[in-house]
This record gives sequence, C-alpha cells and structure tokens, in this order.
Amino acid sequence: GIQVEQSPPDLILQEGANSTLRCNFSDSVNNLQWFHQNPWGQLINLFYIPSGTKQNGRLSATTVATERYSLLYISSSQTTDSGVYFCAVGAQGGSEKLVFGKGMKLTVNP
Amino acid sequence: GAGVSQSPSNKVTEKGKDVELRCDPISGHTALYWYRQSLGQGLEFLIYFQGNSAPDKSGLPSDRFSAERTGGSVSTLTIQRTQQEDSAVYLCASSSRDGANTGELFFGEGSRLTVL
Repeated sequence: GIQVEQSPPDLILQEGANSTLRCNFSDSVNNLQWFHQNPWGQLINLFYIPSGTKQNGRLSATTVATERYSLLYISSSQTTDSGVYFCAVGAQGGSEKLVFGKGMKLTVNP
Repeated sequence: GAGVSQSPSNKVTEKGKDVELRCDPISGHTALYWYRQSLGQGLEFLIYFQGNSAPDKSGLPSDRFSAERTGGSVSTLTIQRTQQEDSAVYLCASSSRDGANTGELFFGEGSRLTVL
C-alpha cells in the first residue's frame, strides 16, 4: 500500500518562530489532508489539499502531487500550535481510506 | 448534530468481555470511518462505510472486530472477547463526498478503551 513519511518527527520552537513540516508519499494520490491533534487528543482538519496551495491565517500548505510531497507552513508560531501534526493521503485508484503518517510532534515554548 | 459524536468517551472492561462503541456522524455525511490510535502512535485504519455498505474492511485486525452502519447514519464498532492489545482510542470520522473523492474528514473525540 501507499507509504507516508513525515519529517521532522519532532520539533521544538520558541514562540514567534516559523516552521515547515514535510510529507512524502510513495504513490499518486487523489486526496491529501493535514490534521492537528491537540494535547487533549482532538483531531482538527487543517487543510484538504490534494494539489495546489491554500492559506488559512498563519498556516499555509502546498502539495506538489507530481513530485509526491506536501508542505505545511506555520508562521509566527504560538503556544496553542503545540501538538501533533498528521498528514493523510488517499491513493489514486485505491479505496477511499486515508493512510496516515506517523505524525510530527511540535512544541512551542513561550 | 453539529459534530461527530462518539460514546462512550471512556470504557474500562475486563479481558474476554465484549464492547460496543458508537459513532453518530455529522448529519448528511455519507462516508464514515473508524480508526484506532494506540498511545503515542499514529492512526490505524479499521473500516470505511459509504452509506450502509462497507467497501473497505481491510483494516479490521481480526474476526473479533465487526462494524455496522444503519440508516446511513449511526455506526457501531463491536469488539468481541476483548484482549489487552485492543486497548486504544477508537476514533470515528465522517465526510461528505466531493465528486469522486473523499472530502474533508471530521473526527469525533474518540472512545478510550482500556482492557484489564
């Protein structure tokens, strides 16, 4: 099945810093989503982005489907950005399931 | 409802007992997913429903696990003869369809299962 790799696995930042999270995938996709899991375990959908670029406030994401990667940018990070970020993909021609990466733990210190 | 609702939020059971976990998706969402997350781990796909049918059951770990969905809405995940390795948070998500593709997934808060 399709493989999803996220990097870096962990990241510690000072408040106000910027960061880039990367998601590589092994096959063509027709679905890609980024999620944030807060320290209480709730998963929030950040972006539905199988291709192209989207922005939402301090967050933006870019997916280059032909090169099989996606990037999530966090600018001017805040302590509330802490948590685990997951990338999830749906394989082109596959079932409708989304395969999740192992996640990236972000800690933003005040 | 406004969001995906799961119950119970917490379940402690003894090894060998059966458990049922319930998911009430967002109204109008035709797709429903079950995932499992062990402590500190990523999400493991279990099963996907489109309407009442389950085109993909490939993630169910054993025949002790089953799920059904009725009326295109509420789904129940049943684990029979629970084992300690079944301890995890069971997450349900729903989405509407976007043409031929799955739309954004919205997750419930999960059901934390502890098997003693």
